[in-house]
Amino acid sequence: GESVGLHLPTLSVQEGDNSIINCAYSNSASDYFIWYKQESGKGPQFIIDIRSNMDKRQGQRVTVLLNKTVKHLSLQIAATQPGDSAVYFCAETNTGGFKTIFGAGTRLFVKA
Amino acid sequence: DAGVTQSPTHLIKTRGQQVTLRCSPKSGHDTVSWYQQALGQGPQFIFQYYEEEERQRGNFPDRFSGHQFPNYSSELNVNALLLGDSALYLCASSLGAGGAYGYTFGSGTRLTVV
Repeated sequence: GESVGLHLPTLSVQEGDNSIINCAYSNSASDYFIWYKQESGKGPQFIIDIRSNMDKRQGQRVTVLLNKTVKHLSLQIAATQPGDSAVYFCAETNTGGFKTIFGAGTRLFVKA
Repeated sequence: DAGVTQSPTHLIKTRGQQVTLRCSPKSGHDTVSWYQQALGQGPQFIFQYYEEEERQRGNFPDRFSGHQFPNYSSELNVNALLLGDSALYLCASSLGAGGAYGYTFGSGTRLTVV
């Protein structure tokens, strides 16, 4: 498959460790945030979302934290697995608006 | 349940030519958004179609145009292709205007302009 992110920031973690991927968003009017995972040769895949009235949301092995004061999002992946290796994008939008803006992305590499 | 389907998967065009990319949204979705993803970058919003109308547009020239059909499928047209148009073109479908419930993406069309 094709390589999505040749020059992206890279996070390398050992299998079984926890991963934290950070993102700064741009628009203080954004009220809905999403993390996407993109594997080589595929389109982005929805992982987890959070609305601006929350500061934390948990899914299966993933947690998203939102700090509106500093416009910062993070994605925490527990017990990282080789299948988690991908490029991760944060995205922001406004529920009254029409477009979703993506961040630059981070490549996660999981060492077995 | 079919997800988002894009065609073709790969395409090579010559500078100055025109291209049409196609997208069928996920069953039950009525909104289609198009994104351009250059290598090593995040997807860039081109435009969104809802109720057969362009609802919002990103910072792309008029060479980029689109259409949505009554069955919600969509086309992206690019005229007078430039080398810089080489990218992965992603179609995303959702329910309702806006991305308020997240998108379902297709696998994209890889366009190479030579």
